[in-house]
Amino acid sequence: DQQVKQNSPSLSVQEGRISILNCDYTNSMFDYFLWYKKYPAEGPTFLISISSIKDKNEDGRFTVFLNKSAKHLSLHIVPSQPGDSAVYFCAAPSIMNYGGATNKLIFGTGTLLAVQP
Amino acid sequence: EAQVTQNPRYLITVTGKKLTVTCSQNMNHEYMSWYRQDPGLGLRQIYYSMNVEVTDKGDVPEGYKVSRKEKRNFPLILESPSPNQTSLYFCASSFGQGDGYTFGSGTRLTVV
Repeated sequence: DQQVKQNSPSLSVQEGRISILNCDYTNSMFDYFLWYKKYPAEGPTFLISISSIKDKNEDGRFTVFLNKSAKHLSLHIVPSQPGDSAVYFCAAPSIMNYGGATNKLIFGTGTLLAVQP
Repeated sequence: EAQVTQNPRYLITVTGKKLTVTCSQNMNHEYMSWYRQDPGLGLRQIYYSMNVEVTDKGDVPEGYKVSRKEKRNFPLILESPSPNQTSLYFCASSFGQGDGYTFGSGTRLTVV
């Protein structure tokens, strides 16, 4: 079973506060994870990734945390800005039968983040 | 500018009328892929290509065809569109495994 799940369809946060977007996965063999951001009428854009051998990756205001025992990852945005309002997708490359990662990305259903001024 | 270009952006068509959505990338990427986005279902892969003349099915390939005759182009063909193919379609490319995909701006297709 290879699934990536985002159980919160939406999240509303005040400007300047922290946004935490969550993602759960089913297969402990996933090699790495990616977050994409999507504005209306645009394609998703790559935001940040994390390897399964790490538990944290930081890029400016964006930090990904990986909890392998819980099969859970989260994206933290600090401080949140109105321009961060978008749909955020969590994704992972699918695993071949012998365990290697493919280039086929499995996406979650997305979380709509609204940052209120 | 490095980009993935897909056309058209919007298309309304009738059931059964063959159509092609074009996709082109200027980054010399080997990997290309088509996804569809539907409410509550996220992004689901239709087909992908690892290189010229190498294509494979994704999760929802039924009713679609693709070809990869040149590295830069990866058209999506609907031979006989049906209303359940009404969706938002994205083409994407990447240099290799571990790299994030670069997505096109999307094609909103409506089949009536």
